[in-house]
Amino acid sequence: SQQGEEDPQALSIQEGENATMNCSYKTSINNLQWYRQNSGRGLVHLILIRSNEREKHSGRLRVTLDTSKKSSSLLITASRAADTASYFCATDAEGGSEKLVFGKGMKLTVNP
Amino acid sequence: NAGVTQTPKFRVLKTGQSMTLLCAQDMNHEYMYWYRQDPGMGLRLIHYSVGEGTTAKGEVPDGYNVSRLKKQNFLLGLESAAPSQTSVYFCASSSIRALVFSYEQYFGPGTRLTVT
Repeated sequence: SQQGEEDPQALSIQEGENATMNCSYKTSINNLQWYRQNSGRGLVHLILIRSNEREKHSGRLRVTLDTSKKSSSLLITASRAADTASYFCATDAEGGSEKLVFGKGMKLTVNP
Repeated sequence: NAGVTQTPKFRVLKTGQSMTLLCAQDMNHEYMYWYRQDPGMGLRLIHYSVGEGTTAKGEVPDGYNVSRLKKQNFLLGLESAAPSQTSVYFCASSSIRALVFSYEQYFGPGTRLTVT
Protein backbone atom coordinates (compact mmCIF):
# COMPACT_ATOMS: atom_id res chain seq x y z
CA SER A 1 0.00 0.00 0.00
CA GLN A 2 1.27 3.44 -0.88
CA GLN A 3 2.31 5.67 1.99
CA GLY A 4 3.22 8.71 -0.08
CA GLU A 5 1.13 10.28 -2.79
CA GLU A 6 2.65 12.85 -5.12
CA ASP A 7 0.70 15.76 -6.47
CA PRO A 8 0.31 16.75 -9.23
CA GLN A 9 0.69 13.52 -11.17
CA ALA A 10 2.14 15.36 -14.14
CA LEU A 11 3.62 18.80 -14.63
CA SER A 12 4.88 20.49 -17.78
CA ILE A 13 6.88 23.71 -17.54
CA GLN A 14 9.32 25.79 -19.56
CA GLU A 15 13.04 25.74 -18.97
CA GLY A 16 14.03 28.28 -16.36
CA GLU A 17 10.75 28.05 -14.43
CA ASN A 18 10.45 26.54 -10.97
CA ALA A 19 8.75 23.19 -10.42
CA THR A 20 7.00 22.25 -7.21
CA MET A 21 5.91 18.74 -6.36
CA ASN A 22 3.98 17.76 -3.29
CA CYS A 23 3.86 14.54 -1.32
CA SER A 24 1.35 13.55 1.32
CA TYR A 25 1.71 10.55 3.59
CA LYS A 26 -0.41 8.82 6.18
CA THR A 27 1.58 7.65 9.19
CA SER A 28 4.40 8.93 11.36
CA ILE A 29 7.83 8.79 9.77
CA ASN A 30 11.50 8.94 10.70
CA ASN A 31 12.46 10.63 7.50
CA LEU A 32 11.26 11.30 3.97
CA GLN A 33 13.29 10.88 0.81
CA TRP A 34 12.90 12.09 -2.76
CA TYR A 35 14.08 10.09 -5.76
CA ARG A 36 14.31 10.81 -9.48
CA GLN A 37 13.83 8.32 -12.29
CA ASN A 38 14.87 9.11 -15.82
CA SER A 39 13.04 7.23 -18.55
CA GLY A 40 14.13 3.60 -18.70
CA ARG A 41 16.48 3.91 -15.73
CA GLY A 42 16.56 3.04 -12.06
CA LEU A 43 15.73 5.50 -9.31
CA VAL A 44 18.37 7.88 -8.02
CA HIS A 45 18.31 9.32 -4.51
CA LEU A 46 18.05 13.12 -4.46
CA ILE A 47 17.60 14.30 -0.92
CA LEU A 48 16.53 13.18 2.54
CA ILE A 49 14.83 15.20 5.22
CA ARG A 50 14.51 14.05 8.81
CA SER A 51 11.26 14.27 10.73
CA ASN A 52 12.73 16.96 13.01
CA GLU A 53 13.79 19.14 10.06
CA ARG A 54 11.53 21.63 8.32
CA GLU A 55 13.59 22.58 5.29
CA LYS A 56 16.64 21.31 3.45
CA HIS A 57 18.57 22.48 0.40
CA SER A 58 20.78 20.69 -2.06
CA GLY A 59 21.91 22.68 -5.09
CA ARG A 60 18.74 23.69 -6.98
CA LEU A 61 16.59 21.45 -4.80
CA ARG A 62 14.64 22.63 -1.80
CA VAL A 63 12.61 20.23 0.30
CA THR A 64 10.18 21.15 3.05
CA LEU A 65 8.48 18.90 5.53
CA ASP A 66 5.38 19.61 7.58
CA THR A 67 4.83 16.70 9.93
CA SER A 68 1.64 18.22 11.34
CA LYS A 69 0.09 18.08 7.87
CA LYS A 70 1.98 14.91 6.91
CA SER A 71 3.21 16.53 3.74
CA SER A 72 6.41 17.44 1.95
CA SER A 73 7.24 19.49 -1.09
CA LEU A 74 10.14 19.35 -3.52
CA LEU A 75 11.03 22.57 -5.32
CA ILE A 76 13.37 22.54 -8.30
CA THR A 77 14.50 26.04 -9.14
CA ALA A 78 15.59 27.26 -12.56
CA SER A 79 14.59 23.99 -14.18
CA ARG A 80 16.51 22.50 -17.09
CA ALA A 81 15.49 20.10 -19.82
CA ALA A 82 17.66 17.51 -18.07
CA ASP A 83 15.32 17.67 -15.06
CA THR A 84 12.67 15.92 -17.15
CA ALA A 85 12.00 12.74 -15.21
CA SER A 86 9.61 11.09 -12.79
CA TYR A 87 9.94 12.04 -9.14
CA PHE A 88 9.00 9.87 -6.20
CA CYS A 89 8.73 10.50 -2.52
CA ALA A 90 9.48 7.63 -0.17
CA THR A 91 8.87 7.21 3.52
CA ASP A 92 9.75 4.65 6.11
CA ALA A 93 7.30 1.77 6.16
CA GLU A 94 5.40 1.20 9.38
CA GLY A 95 7.15 -1.28 11.61
CA GLY A 96 10.63 -0.94 10.21
CA SER A 97 12.82 1.72 8.66
CA GLU A 98 14.80 -0.70 6.54
CA LYS A 99 11.85 -0.65 4.17
CA LEU A 100 10.69 2.33 2.17
CA VAL A 101 7.25 2.88 0.76
CA PHE A 102 7.22 4.80 -2.51
CA GLY A 103 4.51 7.00 -3.90
CA LYS A 104 3.20 6.47 -7.41
CA GLY A 105 5.43 9.20 -8.78
CA MET A 106 5.03 12.44 -10.64
CA LYS A 107 6.10 13.07 -14.22
CA LEU A 108 7.90 16.38 -14.76
CA THR A 109 8.48 17.60 -18.30
CA VAL A 110 10.73 20.62 -18.80
CA ASN A 111 10.40 22.04 -22.29
CA PRO A 112 13.45 23.74 -23.80
CA ASN B 1 32.68 0.53 -8.60
CA ALA B 2 29.66 -0.66 -10.59
CA GLY B 3 27.07 -0.05 -7.86
CA VAL B 4 24.01 -2.25 -8.38
CA THR B 5 23.81 -4.38 -11.50
CA GLN B 6 20.97 -6.55 -12.77
CA THR B 7 20.94 -9.47 -15.17
CA PRO B 8 19.28 -9.79 -17.65
CA LYS B 9 18.06 -6.40 -18.92
CA PHE B 10 15.19 -7.85 -20.94
CA ARG B 11 13.43 -11.19 -20.99
CA VAL B 12 10.36 -12.67 -22.61
CA LEU B 13 8.81 -15.75 -21.03
CA LYS B 14 5.87 -17.94 -21.89
CA THR B 15 3.28 -18.62 -19.23
CA GLY B 16 4.46 -21.37 -16.92
CA GLN B 17 8.16 -20.95 -17.60
CA SER B 18 10.59 -20.20 -14.82
CA MET B 19 13.49 -17.81 -14.55
CA THR B 20 15.86 -16.17 -12.10
CA LEU B 21 16.81 -12.52 -12.00
CA LEU B 22 20.22 -11.74 -10.57
CA CYS B 23 21.12 -8.63 -8.62
CA ALA B 24 24.67 -7.85 -7.56
CA GLN B 25 26.06 -4.95 -5.54
CA ASP B 26 29.65 -4.05 -4.79
CA MET B 27 29.05 -1.51 -2.01
CA ASN B 28 29.08 -4.05 0.84
CA HIS B 29 25.50 -3.12 1.70
CA GLU B 30 23.65 -5.20 4.26
CA TYR B 31 20.18 -4.65 2.85
CA MET B 32 18.85 -5.61 -0.55
CA TYR B 33 15.40 -5.29 -2.11
CA TRP B 34 13.37 -6.39 -5.08
CA TYR B 35 10.63 -4.13 -6.43
CA ARG B 36 8.28 -4.27 -9.34
CA GLN B 37 7.13 -1.17 -11.17
CA ASP B 38 3.90 -1.10 -13.08
CA PRO B 39 2.29 1.88 -14.84
CA GLY B 40 0.33 4.00 -12.39
CA MET B 41 1.34 1.80 -9.44
CA GLY B 42 4.70 3.19 -8.45
CA LEU B 43 7.19 0.77 -6.92
CA ARG B 44 5.97 -2.14 -4.86
CA LEU B 45 8.25 -4.19 -2.64
CA ILE B 46 8.32 -7.90 -3.46
CA HIS B 47 10.92 -9.30 -1.05
CA TYR B 48 13.87 -7.94 0.82
CA SER B 49 16.87 -9.09 2.82
CA VAL B 50 18.56 -7.57 5.84
CA GLY B 51 21.63 -9.75 5.60
CA GLU B 52 23.25 -12.80 4.09
CA GLY B 53 21.06 -15.85 4.52
CA THR B 54 17.93 -13.88 5.49
CA THR B 55 14.90 -12.90 3.44
CA ALA B 56 11.51 -11.39 4.22
CA LYS B 57 8.27 -10.75 2.38
CA GLY B 58 7.30 -7.37 1.11
CA GLU B 59 4.01 -6.03 -0.13
CA VAL B 60 3.52 -8.33 -3.14
CA PRO B 61 5.48 -11.58 -2.55
CA ASP B 62 3.12 -14.13 -4.11
CA GLY B 63 4.55 -15.98 -7.10
CA TYR B 64 8.14 -15.03 -6.29
CA ASN B 65 10.94 -16.54 -4.27
CA VAL B 66 14.29 -15.08 -3.30
CA SER B 67 17.64 -16.17 -1.99
CA ARG B 68 20.61 -14.33 -0.51
CA LEU B 69 23.40 -16.89 -0.26
CA LYS B 70 26.12 -14.26 -0.60
CA LYS B 71 26.06 -10.75 0.80
CA GLN B 72 26.62 -9.17 -2.61
CA ASN B 73 23.93 -11.11 -4.50
CA PHE B 74 20.16 -11.24 -4.26
CA LEU B 75 18.25 -13.55 -6.58
CA LEU B 76 14.59 -13.27 -7.53
CA GLY B 77 12.92 -16.38 -8.91
CA LEU B 78 9.67 -16.91 -10.76
CA GLU B 79 8.77 -20.59 -10.62
CA SER B 80 5.78 -20.48 -12.97
CA ALA B 81 5.47 -17.17 -14.75
CA ALA B 82 2.07 -15.58 -15.29
CA PRO B 83 1.07 -12.65 -17.52
CA SER B 84 0.33 -10.65 -14.35
CA GLN B 85 4.08 -10.74 -13.64
CA THR B 86 4.82 -8.68 -16.73
CA SER B 87 6.58 -5.69 -15.23
CA VAL B 88 9.84 -3.87 -14.78
CA TYR B 89 11.82 -5.29 -11.88
CA PHE B 90 14.26 -3.21 -9.87
CA CYS B 91 16.81 -4.31 -7.36
CA ALA B 92 18.11 -1.92 -4.73
CA SER B 93 20.56 -2.02 -1.87
CA SER B 94 21.17 0.13 1.18
CA SER B 95 23.18 0.47 4.32
CA ILE B 96 21.97 2.22 7.42
CA ARG B 97 23.07 5.81 7.86
CA ALA B 98 23.36 5.70 11.61
CA LEU B 99 23.23 9.43 12.26
CA VAL B 100 19.91 9.85 10.51
CA PHE B 101 18.63 6.32 10.94
CA SER B 102 17.76 6.11 7.27
CA TYR B 103 18.17 3.62 4.49
CA GLU B 104 18.99 5.56 1.34
CA GLN B 105 18.58 3.07 -1.47
CA TYR B 106 20.72 2.57 -4.55
CA PHE B 107 18.93 1.12 -7.54
CA GLY B 108 19.95 -1.07 -10.43
CA PRO B 109 18.95 -0.27 -14.02
CA GLY B 110 16.00 -2.66 -14.04
CA THR B 111 14.89 -5.81 -15.88
CA ARG B 112 11.97 -5.57 -18.28
CA LEU B 113 10.06 -8.87 -18.17
CA THR B 114 7.22 -9.79 -20.48
CA VAL B 115 5.18 -12.93 -19.90
CA THR B 116 3.04 -14.02 -22.84
